[in-house]
Amino acid sequence: EAQVTQNPRYLITVTGKKLTVTCSQNMNHEYMSWYRQDPGLGLRQIYYSMNVEVTDKGDVPEGYKVSRKEKRNFPLILESPSPNQTSLYFCASSYRGQPQHFGDGTRLSIL
Amino acid sequence: SQQGEEDPQALSIQEGENATMNCSYKTSINNLQWYRQNSGRGLVHLILIRSNEREKHSGRLRVTLDTSKKSSSLLITASRAADTASYFCATDAVGGGTYKYIFGTGTRLKVLA
Repeated sequence: EAQVTQNPRYLITVTGKKLTVTCSQNMNHEYMSWYRQDPGLGLRQIYYSMNVEVTDKGDVPEGYKVSRKEKRNFPLILESPSPNQTSLYFCASSYRGQPQHFGDGTRLSIL
Repeated sequence: SQQGEEDPQALSIQEGENATMNCSYKTSINNLQWYRQNSGRGLVHLILIRSNEREKHSGRLRVTLDTSKKSSSLLITASRAADTASYFCATDAVGGGTYKYIFGTGTRLKVLA
């Protein structure tokens, strides 16, 4: 089954404790992306990757890191999380210019 | 921010009625996509319209695109209670080596049985 898998689905953590949200897709898509969704703001793109070892900033990259060492994986790293990064996060993948497939989301709370 | 905008923010209709949502955007695009989201779940793609297309249909969905006005509309005909969800438009901002996606703020649709 074609899917985008994010882990964990839920996480409560504390300020400053490094965390990684994993994302994996099984569709051989070149394009992968991370979004955050906040009430009233829709989805905002954090980082995206057009292929292995090629990443670029979206609209809200501050406080986040990504890497793309393999085509299927695109982890999102919060080196020193802060409360303003409490949000619902989505990973997505696609062929370039094609509809994106979304994961089920990761609800992150930073205290 | 280059956030797109959708209106209305919320829409409540009776089952069987048509629902129309509008999306405006700011940059030149290659395509515009509409997505649906149920209660904080992942988004599901509905329809994609390319910048050289003016109208597209898929089942009960009709999408129009006016690139001169930088706007699009999504029409859901003969709505059902199961259409209750949030709907988002997304545009690709391509140029200068970038390939970003910009989502609208969404329309919350409630279809009353």
